[in-house]
Amino acid sequence: GNSVTQMEGPVTLSEEAFLTINCTYTATGYPSLFWYVQYPGEGLQLLLKATKADDKGSNKGFEATYRKETTSFHLEKGSVQVSDSAVYFCALSDRDTGNQFYFGTGTSLTVIP
Amino acid sequence: DAGITQSPRHKVTETGTPVTLRCHQTENHRYMYWYRQDPGHGLRLIHYSYGVKDTDKGEVSDGYSVSRSKTEDFLLTLESATSSQTSVYFCAISGAYGKYEQYFGPGTRLTVT
Repeated sequence: GNSVTQMEGPVTLSEEAFLTINCTYTATGYPSLFWYVQYPGEGLQLLLKATKADDKGSNKGFEATYRKETTSFHLEKGSVQVSDSAVYFCALSDRDTGNQFYFGTGTSLTVIP
Repeated sequence: DAGITQSPRHKVTETGTPVTLRCHQTENHRYMYWYRQDPGHGLRLIHYSYGVKDTDKGEVSDGYSVSRSKTEDFLLTLESATSSQTSVYFCAISGAYGKYEQYFGPGTRLTVT
């Protein structure tokens, strides 16, 4: 079946530190992969996506590469800011089942000045 | 931002009462989804719809029913609310041709006392 496993949190970093949030997946087909971000009291917002192996998604300084050989889609950012404090969700979509999404449990990030 | 609204945004109800949550979209997307979000569980799919009057169960469908009589509206009903259904409920949509990402509404916080 399909599933996503992501790094346990919470994660606390100082401003300008390097961020990595690990995400691995299990899929039966050829999924698309996504990172979503959720700020307090809000819904999830799409951060970036990759639709096939070796694709790199990027947005707002974040990036992640779809690695089929390691079934991974790790989120990285070179220099985090206080405004990046949020919960980050890794997800995969299965186009063969009504585009169902499978989410990781989320990783809470706090960036301190 | 995708045109998705949810109503009500907050609701407190008593155990045993019926509750209906509404999701409305202005994007004419084919697929609509209901999730619940609970600490430690991430997002879990309750039901989804792949067209008018076409729905299917998700991972945690027990105690919930849905209806979709128009493309733009997807209703989630708790027939007899229980305290275990206290949660934040998110609606999502997807289906633009060639795009598989889901877009989320702002959420409904439901408390069952």
